[in-house]
Amino acid sequence: DADVTQTPRNRITKTGKRIMLECSQTKGHDRMYWYRQDPGLGLRLIYYSFDVKDINKGEISDGYSVSRQAQAKFSLSLESAIPNQTALYFCATSGRGSEKLFFGSGTQLSVL
Amino acid sequence: GENVEQHPSTLSVQEGDSAVIKCTYSDSASNYFPWYKQELGKRPQLIIDIRSNVGEKKDQRIAVTLNKTAKHFSLHITETQPEDSAVYFCAASGFGAGGTSYGKLTFGQGTILTVHP
Repeated sequence: DADVTQTPRNRITKTGKRIMLECSQTKGHDRMYWYRQDPGLGLRLIYYSFDVKDINKGEISDGYSVSRQAQAKFSLSLESAIPNQTALYFCATSGRGSEKLFFGSGTQLSVL
Repeated sequence: GENVEQHPSTLSVQEGDSAVIKCTYSDSASNYFPWYKQELGKRPQLIIDIRSNVGEKKDQRIAVTLNKTAKHFSLHITETQPEDSAVYFCAASGFGAGGTSYGKLTFGQGTILTVHP
């Protein structure tokens, strides 16, 4: 089945380290998104991309950067991780003309 | 930008009872309102959605109602079952000129629903 795959599933790192979270999809969707989930805060949009040459900031982009390497790949980087970036990170995709999001399985990141 | 408020943050019901979760939104241009369910340790999945040209939509035991004037929408689950226990998220997004979707959702804070057998 077509899917959205995130790697790694879990990551523990130290303050100041550079971290990359990767997302790939076999759904053939143009649009990809990065969200973070924190208890009591819901899902907040970090960055989104409507195609390979289109990158947009979401509501909480500070401290993050992204790269859309191909239609199927969208990576999220934390240039210098800090403890309040500890969260569950989800990649998601949607097809052109559709608002339905398909989420990956998530990456639990802990910054010590 | 859009702001979505969701209540309650936790909801506990007995099996067979009904559950209602409510959301309000701030942007009158929003016209698409989905609900996602996230089971423990799993990814969020769409369970039902509604567009602003209708006031209610049903799918078996779940229904969503929309009041555009008041800018609020609600999820109703009837005859709850233990497998309905999960975190539920509401969300909102809008369309641009010509019907092009903005394509990005603003989510509420989530409601932890627990259904006791």
